Amino acid sequence: TQLLEQSPQFLSIQEGENLTVYCNSSSVFSSLQWYRQEPGEGPVLLVTVVTGGEVKKLKRLTFQFGDARKDSSLHITAAQPGDTGLYLCAGLLPGTYKYIFGTGTRLKVLA
Amino acid sequence: DVKVTQSSRYLVKRTGEKVFLECVQDMDHENMFWYRQDPGLGLRLIYFSYDVKMKEKGDIPEGYSVSREKKERFSLILESASTNQTSMYLCASNTGTPFTDTQYFGPGTRLTVL
Repeated sequence: TQLLEQSPQFLSIQEGENLTVYCNSSSVFSSLQWYRQEPGEGPVLLVTVVTGGEVKKLKRLTFQFGDARKDSSLHITAAQPGDTGLYLCAGLLPGTYKYIFGTGTRLKVLA
Repeated sequence: DVKVTQSSRYLVKRTGEKVFLECVQDMDHENMFWYRQDPGLGLRLIYFSYDVKMKEKGDIPEGYSVSREKKERFSLILESASTNQTSMYLCASNTGTPFTDTQYFGPGTRLTVL
């Protein structure tokens, strides 16, 4: 079974701090997505990265896909309480419709 | 806006009962998915369907079955509920566009089996 390991599992930081979440696997993916999930809701897509080495920015969030397409990172600059939530990465297995989800990082940003 | 709805937000059932979880999407999506979400394990794929009456097993299909008689509706069935099936169940759909497709999720059904 393919695995996507996320680290850290939990993160509690003060407003204004920076943070990085990592998503690692031994498997190669066609693409990798990051989702954010808030309590009582389903995950919502933040970004999709497709090309090895690709970097995408979404306001204060920066996403990177590893050169070998096996890992990814999410960096948040100057975190705000509104960034609080569960962050999930999901890799698309080549030649399939199947997504493998990471174990999740629960972020809490304190005002 | 894409909308994926699930029949119940919370459900409490007894061991041995047959349980039906319904999911409906309104965007004419080809693919539909059922996942379960447990703390520390992320989302695990139970089944997915790429067309009406077509289905494929995911990573953890044991104890579950599915039905897709209409394109917009995908049902998850627990034939005989057990306590280890207590979990959050999430339905999702997408168009099937390669590589960049967005999965749209419903709000989830939190199932408790007593």
